[in-house]
Amino acid sequence: EAQVTQNPRYLITVTGKKLTVTCSQNMNHEYMSWYRQDPGLGLRQIYYSMNVEVTDKGDVPEGYKVSRKEKRNFPLILESPSPNQTSLYFCASSSAGTETYEQYFGPGTRLTVT
Amino acid sequence: ILNVEQSPQSLHVQEGDSTNFTCSFPSSNFYALHWYRWETAKSPEALFVMTLNGDEKKKGRISATLNTKEGYSYLYIKGSQPEDSATYLCASDYGQNFVFGPGTRLSVLP
Repeated sequence: EAQVTQNPRYLITVTGKKLTVTCSQNMNHEYMSWYRQDPGLGLRQIYYSMNVEVTDKGDVPEGYKVSRKEKRNFPLILESPSPNQTSLYFCASSSAGTETYEQYFGPGTRLTVT
Repeated sequence: ILNVEQSPQSLHVQEGDSTNFTCSFPSSNFYALHWYRWETAKSPEALFVMTLNGDEKKKGRISATLNTKEGYSYLYIKGSQPEDSATYLCASDYGQNFVFGPGTRLSVLP
């Protein structure tokens, strides 16, 4: 089954404790992206990647890091989480360079930083 | 920061009614316009991707149009059903940098 998976689905952590949220897709997609969703705001892009070893900042990259060492994986790293990073996070992937490159979203990770 | 707007913010319609929403986006450096359907407790699901001015796409009772010159897109739902209840998101693509609107929350009352 074609899918985007994220782990963990739920996480409660404390300020300053480094964490990684994993994202993996099995569709051989070139493009992957991370978003955060906060009440009253639309999905906001954090980082995106056009292919292996190619990453770019989205609209809200501060406090986050990403890496793209393999095509299927795109982890989101919070080196020193803060309470304002409490949010619902979505990973998405798509096949770049085709006419209908619709994004497939993962199930979401709800992060709470206390 | 680019801003994508959607209206209305929320909408309640009766089963069988037809309805439409608007997405407005900056048209400079525009590449594509995406529509997504997002049900509560689920992930957004792609409905349409449109790139050309005048594009029209249709999937069952749902259709969408695109005007890239003036920077807007309409989503239409014909004969709304309770299962159409969801938040409808649009996103403007500026070369893989996606900017999402805040969504229109649709409730279809039986």
